[in-house]
Amino acid sequence: EPEVTQTPSHQVTQMGQEVILRCVPISNHLYFYWYRQILGQKVEFLVSFYNNEISEKSEIFDDQFSVERPDGSNFTLKIRSTKLEDSAMYFCASSETSLSEQYFGPGTRLTVT
Amino acid sequence: AQSVTQLGSHVSVSEGALVLLRCNYSSSVPPYLFWYVQYPNQGLQLLLKYTTGATLVKGINGFEAEFKKSETSFHLTKPSAHMSDAAEYFCAIYNAGNMLTFGGGTRLMVKP
Repeated sequence: EPEVTQTPSHQVTQMGQEVILRCVPISNHLYFYWYRQILGQKVEFLVSFYNNEISEKSEIFDDQFSVERPDGSNFTLKIRSTKLEDSAMYFCASSETSLSEQYFGPGTRLTVT
Repeated sequence: AQSVTQLGSHVSVSEGALVLLRCNYSSSVPPYLFWYVQYPNQGLQLLLKYTTGATLVKGINGFEAEFKKSETSFHLTKPSAHMSDAAEYFCAIYNAGNMLTFGGGTRLMVKP
C-alpha cells in the first residue's frame, strides 16, 4: 500500500540554525500539506501546496518557513532560523484531490535546543 | 471557518466495553468530517470519513461514526474495545484551502 514517507524521523538543531524536513508524498497525489503538533497539543495546519504554489497557509507559517517541491517526488519544509518554540512533530500529508482524504506520514520530531 | 470540538480529553473503558468518543462540529457549509487515530510515537492514520450520502460510516478496525446534522455531531463508536485500541483519536473537518482543522484529541485507555 502506498504511503507518505518522511525523513529524518528525528532532527536536533540549535536555535538559529536552518533545517529542512523532507517528505515523499504518495506518487499520484497532487495536493501536499504540512502540519505540526507541539507536544501535548492539537495538530495544527501550516500550509497546503498545489501546482507548485502555496494554496493556503496559516498564521503560524510566517516568513521563516518555506516549502518547495524540488523534483517530481520530494516535498520539503524549510525553517530558516529555528526558535525554541519550533520544537514539535511535523507531519507531511498528501491527497489525490482537493477534498479527498489526506494521508499522513509518520512525522519528523524536531527538537530545537 | 469550520471547527470541531471533542468532548473529553481522556476516556477510559474496560476491554470488551462500548467505545464512544464524541465530536461536535460547527460549519456554515455541508461538512467533510474525518476521524484519525494516532498510536504512540506514530503518525496519523485515517479511520473513516464522511463526505456525503450515507450518514453511518464504517471504518477500519471495527470503528464507525454517525453524522447527525440535527445534533451537529460525528461521534465515533466501537461495540467492543480491544487493548490495541488504546491511542489518541482526532476528529477533523475540512476548511477552505484544503486545510484540515483538528479537534483537541481524545486519549482512549483500555483496561484489562
